[in-house]
Amino acid sequence: GENVEQHPSTLSVQEGDSAVIKCTYSDSASNYFPWYKQELGKRPQLIIDIRSNVGEKKDQRIAVTLNKTAKHFSLHITETQPEDSAVYFCAAHSLGVTGGGNKLTFGTGTQLKVEL
Amino acid sequence: GAGVSQTPSNKVTEKGKYVELRCDPISGHTALYWYRQSLGQGPEFLIYFQGTGAADDSGLPNDRFFAVRPEGSVSTLKIQRTERGDSAVYLCASSLTAASFNNEQFFGPGTRLTVL
Repeated sequence: GENVEQHPSTLSVQEGDSAVIKCTYSDSASNYFPWYKQELGKRPQLIIDIRSNVGEKKDQRIAVTLNKTAKHFSLHITETQPEDSAVYFCAAHSLGVTGGGNKLTFGTGTQLKVEL
Repeated sequence: GAGVSQTPSNKVTEKGKYVELRCDPISGHTALYWYRQSLGQGPEFLIYFQGTGAADDSGLPNDRFFAVRPEGSVSTLKIQRTERGDSAVYLCASSLTAASFNNEQFFGPGTRLTVL
């Protein structure tokens, strides 16, 4: 099955700096890669996603890049703000046991802290 | 519109008891997923429904876990003979479809299950 690794586990940056979180995946058939932000005690919230036919996607201060050959994808947050502090999870869509399906395999998360 | 909702928000039970956790997906979403999230970890896939049928239940840990979605909308996750190791946050998500497009998954707030 799919295996997703995420680094770093914790990341501390100064307000206004950039933050980068990296993930690798194992299943070359995976074709959809969402990123979720989860604040303490809250639900995971989808912040950006990328599909395998695209190498980069940007939404204001957030961007995601995908390298299918190397099987890795990254989240980039620019001009970080204190409200960006949260746990960020990457995920990869993987095929189910019957070759279909739509389950997500998640990384172990990155605790981002934006300091004033 | 209304997002995914889950009830109860918290459930405390004793070892050996039976529990039911409920999920109301976003109206019109045909695909529904259950995940389990332990402290400090990413969500872990349990089961996925397309309509009324369980399309992939490969993530259910054992036969004490069962889920239904009889009318293709609300789903119930059932856990028999609960064990302390079942303690976690149980997350539900839904997506418009399970196809390779419109498959963005939106999460509910979760049910925190504590088995004493």
